[in-house]
Amino acid sequence: AQSVTQLDSHVSVSEGTPVLLRCNYSSSYSPSLFWYVQHPNKGLQLLLKYTSAATLVKGINGFEAEFKKSETSFHLTKPSAHMSDAAEYFCAHMNTGFQKLVFGTGTRLLVSP
Amino acid sequence: DTGVSQDPRHKITKRGQNVTFRCDPISEHNRLYWYRQTLGQGPEFLTYFQNEAQLEKSRLLSDRFSAERPKGSFSTLEIQRTEQGDSAMYLCASSLFGVYSNQPQHFGDGTRLSIL
Repeated sequence: AQSVTQLDSHVSVSEGTPVLLRCNYSSSYSPSLFWYVQHPNKGLQLLLKYTSAATLVKGINGFEAEFKKSETSFHLTKPSAHMSDAAEYFCAHMNTGFQKLVFGTGTRLLVSP
Repeated sequence: DTGVSQDPRHKITKRGQNVTFRCDPISEHNRLYWYRQTLGQGPEFLTYFQNEAQLEKSRLLSDRFSAERPKGSFSTLEIQRTEQGDSAMYLCASSLFGVYSNQPQHFGDGTRLSIL
């Protein structure tokens, strides 16, 4: 079965330092992968998606992610964290029939001043 | 693009009561999805519609749950005889699906259900 694994339940950074949120996927074919962000009591907002075009994907709010097939990874990065980036981040995999997203368990990003 | 709208945002009810949630998708989107998210977890797929047809239901969707999308626009999710374990955030998403396109799903802000 397709799945995604988010390796860290919590990541803490200081404002202005780089952010790295890790995601690994399991799939035997070229996947569709997504990163979403969720602020408290809100729905999920799409940050970026990978659909077999460029391996480096740029998203909103300065985030980007690199698809590495050899490592089955799709890590999310941002050069400089902002206080407003504090939220829960979900990596997701689209199943083969494009019917549904399979989400990881999430990574809570904490940003300190 | 007014986004996906869900109503109500919060619902508190006693165990055993029935509840109904509504989702209004982005107007041109032909697919509509329901997910459930419990505390500290990622969303889990419940069911989805393409236009008015319900095409897949998860095993998570017991027979106490029913979803409809009667005219291919808004959708309702009803839970009958609610149980403590139904307490969760219920998220609706929509997307534009075509044979050669795989557009991302856009989510509403969810309905948080609390069972007393």
